[in-house]
Amino acid sequence: DAKTTQPTSMDCAEGRAANLPCNHSTISGNEYVYWYRQIHSQGPQYIIHGLKNNETNEMASLIITEDRKSSTLILPHATLRDTAVYYCIVRAYHTGNQFYFGTGTSLTVIP
Amino acid sequence: NAGVTQTPKFQVLKTGQSMTLQCAQDMNHNSMYWYRQDPGMGLRLIYYSASEGTTDKGEVPNGYNVSRLNKREFSLRLESAAPSQTSVYFCASSNYGRKNEQFFGPGTRLTVL
Repeated sequence: DAKTTQPTSMDCAEGRAANLPCNHSTISGNEYVYWYRQIHSQGPQYIIHGLKNNETNEMASLIITEDRKSSTLILPHATLRDTAVYYCIVRAYHTGNQFYFGTGTSLTVIP
Repeated sequence: NAGVTQTPKFQVLKTGQSMTLQCAQDMNHNSMYWYRQDPGMGLRLIYYSASEGTTDKGEVPNGYNVSRLNKREFSLRLESAAPSQTSVYFCASSNYGRKNEQFFGPGTRLTVL
């Protein structure tokens, strides 16, 4: 699976959009981009995933660049409850169900 | 519908002791996983079971054994605990498919003295 690079930490003002970047320059054509988050001491929670098209659900939007070498997770109106560590993971479907979590981005939403 | 449950929530062991961490899911998922998370680190996969009756090693399997008892239950055993195994252990489950959303349990906080 391709490696990912994320900033160690970010701040965002409450009510503003939080834009979390992820670089995955060695991504293969059959690898999906997944985002999970982990709120203090809890188990990680799935947010969204995509292959090459932009995706949106009730939690967030995922923007994948045309060359697929990077992506951005967007939380449109960040709240204090969005303070968490966000993990960007790339994974090929054929590799089974293994996910490799890196160290992620620690997002702090500031009142 | 409890999702993924883990027992115990906390455990303190002495070096050399053994114990089994229990995990159960009620979502009829095929796949189950065990991860460990050390302070300030991301999760690392210990073992996984893609389906009932199969188990495979992940990134850090040394010092652990697993049993997929049935479709619902997946246990993790430490035969001879070491201080390096002090960590938070998470169990997860998922079904097949491209979404492959993994559902995580609340974790077991293990300290080995």
